[in-house]
Amino acid sequence: ETGVTQSPTHLIKTRGQQVTLRCSSQSGHNTVSWYQQALGQGPQFIFQYYREEENGRGNFPPRFSGLQFPNYSSELNVNALELDDSALYLCASSYGTSGTNEQFFGPGTRLTVL
Amino acid sequence: SQQGEEDPQALSIQEGENATMNCSYKTSINNLQWYRQNSGRGLVHLILIRSNEREKHSGRLRVTLDTSKKSSSLLITASRAADTASYFCATDAWGDDKIIFGKGTRLHILP
Repeated sequence: ETGVTQSPTHLIKTRGQQVTLRCSSQSGHNTVSWYQQALGQGPQFIFQYYREEENGRGNFPPRFSGLQFPNYSSELNVNALELDDSALYLCASSYGTSGTNEQFFGPGTRLTVL
Repeated sequence: SQQGEEDPQALSIQEGENATMNCSYKTSINNLQWYRQNSGRGLVHLILIRSNEREKHSGRLRVTLDTSKKSSSLLITASRAADTASYFCATDAWGDDKIIFGKGTRLHILP
């Protein structure tokens, strides 16, 4: 059984660019959630995907979008990057929705926007 | 805004002592979870407690939940150097699939 993996580990982009982050969920899990964590803060919920459909969204603008694939892996896309998007992006997988079930987190992608 | 607020923000104790962290929240919840994070890496799930439960144990961890006060506490007994980390509470509300994390308590275990 493999854990949650994320790629890339680190990424540097410039303002206005677009970025795609990837997450492979743990075997047997059908739910993926994405979080943004600024330095010194708690993770902020971006959205959750359950069986390939968005199932809950936090207070993030539409330029944050995502996908979940039939194998339950997921992508987070951010368009028109802003300096404040610099953060650690975490994905977590679970069997069933994240509020009721234990989530398993990946190591994160550190995004720096210059 | 964040639902959970941990208290204290930072805590330093001697190895072997007990560490207590508190979490307060604003609205009615379905479940409350505690997570640990080491040095800005991925989070590790510690305990989930449901709104109809009052106390749960897992090894050296003890979590209590008081829904009338909208608060929870995490007790780590006989602390070890490896317990040095940030601890977060996370809540979800009935009929809402969002999980809301607090800002965390930074725990430092002194040798």
